[in-house]
Formats: sequence, structure tokens, C-alpha cells
Amino acid sequence: SYVMTQPPSVSVAPGKTARITCGGNNIGSKTVHWYQQKPGQAPVLVIYYDSDRPSGIPERISGSNSGNTATLTISRVEAGDEADYYCQVWDSSSEGVFGGGTKLTVL
Amino acid sequence: QVTLRESGPALVKPTQTLTLTCTFSGFSLSTTGMCVSWIRQPPGKALEWLALIDWDDDKYYSTSLKTRLTISKDTSKNQVVLTMTNMDPVDTATYYCTRTDYGGQYYFDFWGQGTLVTVSS
Repeated sequence: SYVMTQPPSVSVAPGKTARITCGGNNIGSKTVHWYQQKPGQAPVLVIYYDSDRPSGIPERISGSNSGNTATLTISRVEAGDEADYYCQVWDSSSEGVFGGGTKLTVL
Repeated sequence: QVTLRESGPALVKPTQTLTLTCTFSGFSLSTTGMCVSWIRQPPGKALEWLALIDWDDDKYYSTSLKTRLTISKDTSKNQVVLTMTNMDPVDTATYYCTRTDYGGQYYFDFWGQGTLVTVSS
């Protein structure tokens, strides 16, 4: 099935911008969704259809998708953004696929 | 308000069959576009999608696990059941049920709190 690669970890200072990538073969032709998971909690949808935000998700969180890389961007990073982030697509083989996850650390 | 709650055994023995029930509210599985998925997460590891059932009773399974999984729904009870046969210690994980929206693509917009299943003799 389709494979997506995420960096295991990303570190950023408060107030700066974090970019979390999700690489895959021609991923730009697919629709990517992103989830945030804080320790001990269930994941939360933060971006769907590449760049749409569910209600309640701050505008600081945005998404893009082109070529072989989808990117989740978090601007003006806060301590509360520290979490694991997962990208997800629905593969042409009719199954859900997640990336390996990225741990965002706020320095 | 959409809520989902997983229920089932916390401990199963190797080779046994696991049966998990997702009880939900705030939406109906008879509404076009509504689906429920099961997703699991071994301790300290990534999310893994398992199965999906949609409003039309179509079912989709993980390629790697499809021989062991069965998903079904009871629309009148707002429940979805997942069975997984021949459980192994590597199946130890938190199992989540999620509402899955289909507007051309499937994504998981509401999640239950998850239930930890340990496989051990």
C-alpha cells in the first residue's frame, strides 16, 4: 500500500514557525489530512482536504500539498502545540494510510 | 454533539477472538456520507487504520489484516462491532473508533477515547 514518510521529530522555539512534512510518491495528487495527538489523548483532526481547518482549530495551523510533499505549518508556536502529528490519506487500494508520525517539541 | 465510546475486554489471550463495540451518538449511520472506522495504536507507536463501514453497508479492510477482521453495524442501536480473530501479543494496542466523513475522501473527524487491549496469556 501507499507509504508516507514523516520526520520522527521537529523542534521549534516558542513564537517561531514549525513545518512538519509528509512525503509520498506524487502525494500532491492525493488528499491529505492531519491529526494532532497529545500524550494520553485521542488524536484530533486539525487539517482536512489538504488545507481546510475544522471549527475550533486556530488559523495558526495550516496545510499545503504539492508534488511529493505535504506540509503542516504551525505559526507562532505555543507550548500547547507540543504533540505528535500524523498525516493520513485514503489510498487507491481502498484503505486508510497514516504516516509514521512526527513529535513536535517546543523548546 | 458527536460522541463515540469503545467497549470490550481489556485482556485477551493469544489465539482468542477480540470483539469490540463502538457506541455512538450525534449522527446516524443511515445518513449518506457517514461512516465509522476502527484505528489502533500500539504503545509508543504510530496509528494504524483497520476497517471502515459506510452508510450503505460497504466495508473496507486493511490489506494486511483483512483475513482476521470483520466489521458490522446495527443502525438501530447506533453501534458498530469489530471482530479480530487469532489475537497475538503484537496486537496489543489502544483501539479507537472514529466517525468517518466521506465527502469524496475519507477522514476521521471525531474519535472515541480509545480502549487499551492487552494480549497476554
